[in-house]
Amino acid sequence: DTAVSQTPKYLVTQMGNDKSIKCEQNLGHDTMYWYKQDSKKFLKIMFSYNNKELIINETVPNRFSPKSPDKAHLNLHINSLELGDSAVYFCASSPRGDAREKLFFGSGTQLSVL
Amino acid sequence: AQSVTQPDIHITVSEGASLELRCNYSYGATPYLFWYVQSPGQGLQLLLKYFSGDTLVQGIKGFEAEFKRSQSSFNLRKPSVHWSDAAEYFCAVGAEDMRFGAGTRLTVKP
Repeated sequence: DTAVSQTPKYLVTQMGNDKSIKCEQNLGHDTMYWYKQDSKKFLKIMFSYNNKELIINETVPNRFSPKSPDKAHLNLHINSLELGDSAVYFCASSPRGDAREKLFFGSGTQLSVL
Repeated sequence: AQSVTQPDIHITVSEGASLELRCNYSYGATPYLFWYVQSPGQGLQLLLKYFSGDTLVQGIKGFEAEFKRSQSSFNLRKPSVHWSDAAEYFCAVGAEDMRFGAGTRLTVKP
């Protein structure tokens, strides 16, 4: 069983569209994250949720809205997609959100905005 | 907030040669330090981590890293590189959250 799974793996869409990426973890972890990896491989945290509560919300356009229906799921909805949103988006989880904890990553969603 | 610098964007080594990937961090207190590896099309996988104690830590796949407080460094090493080690390597600092360096791409020549 995949520990952290995200769908879809690839997403190609037009500018201006609205799209969602889903993430689920079956590890029983309390904390989940969204990271964005740009074309230069730079990995930057976007959001962190602990037990469905927003903990970290970095400087991200409000077109990006995370939703956590339960602690095993953290979905990312993006409105009015722009060319600059093209990147690989990684979901991750950790047991309690402690800075000493290992992060468990999904395999990424490659988003291409045309 | 903490930050991480990986000075080398791309490194090429021959198979069987030794490897050292550099990482420097900035943080006011003792940091929690990590090295992750990313194979093509995959998420990141933890290689090793340092919290306290012995400054030389061993990880998976034969990797080790040494924490040097005086140099604010946490360099990753491997005595003999294998072709399967070709990947992107990320150094990270855990504090309020996990911050990653920009990554170093490792190419292994036959």
